[in-house]
Amino acid sequence: GDSVTQMEGPVTLSEEAFLTINCTYTATGYPSLFWYVQYPGEGLQLLLKATKADDKGSNKGFEATYRKETTSFHLEKGSVQVSDSAVYFCALSDQASGSARQLTFGSGTQLTVLP
Amino acid sequence: EAGVTQFPSHSVIEKGQTVTLRCDPISGHDNLYWYRRVMGKEIKFLLHFVKESKQDESGMPNNRFLAERTGGTYSTLKVQPAELEDSGVYFCASSSFLQGAKGNEKLFFGSGTQLSVL
Repeated sequence: GDSVTQMEGPVTLSEEAFLTINCTYTATGYPSLFWYVQYPGEGLQLLLKATKADDKGSNKGFEATYRKETTSFHLEKGSVQVSDSAVYFCALSDQASGSARQLTFGSGTQLTVLP
Repeated sequence: EAGVTQFPSHSVIEKGQTVTLRCDPISGHDNLYWYRRVMGKEIKFLLHFVKESKQDESGMPNNRFLAERTGGTYSTLKVQPAELEDSGVYFCASSSFLQGAKGNEKLFFGSGTQLSVL
C-alpha cells in the first residue's frame, strides 16, 4: 500500500537558518503530494502541494519539488522564522484510491525555531 | 466563515468507558473525513462521509468505533468501550464537491480532539 516516510524530529534551528525536511513516498498510482502544517493549538493547514512530476509547490517561503525519479518531496525554506515553529506533515493522495482525499500522512516533524 | 469545529478539545476517560467526539464541518461541505494520530505517529485515515452516507470506512480499526452523520451535517465518532491504544488526537476534515477535480479538492481540518484513555 501507499506510505510516506518523513524525516524524524524534532528539529531545532536558529532564526534565519536553512530548513530541509526530507520526505519520500511509495505509491502504486500517480499521487498528488502535500505538505501540511499544524501550528500550536490549531488544526492542520495545507502549506503547499504538487500534483504531478517536476511540479514545485511554494507558499510562505517554503518550497517542495515533486521528484518522481527519487520518489521524494522534500520541504525547504531558505530562512526560517520563530513563527515557523510547528509540526510539519508530508502526505500523499493516490488518485487510484476510491476516495479523493484519503490522505496518507507521514509521522510529522516538530520544528522549533529559536530567536 | 466558521472553520471545522471539533468538540471537546480534550477528553480524559478510563478504560472501558464510552466517549463521543463531535465534528461540525464547514457549512455546505458534503465531504467529511475522520483521521487520527496515535502516539505521535503518522496521521491515519479512519473514514469518509459524503453527506450522510459512509463512502469509505476502510480505516476504522474495529467495531468499537462507530461514526454517524445524521442529516449530513455534523458527525459523531463514538468509541465504546475505550481501550488504552485508542489514545491519540482525532482530526476531522471537510471539503466541498464544488471545488472541482480530485487534484483541486482542498481539505479543511479542525484542531482535533486529544483523547487520553487511562
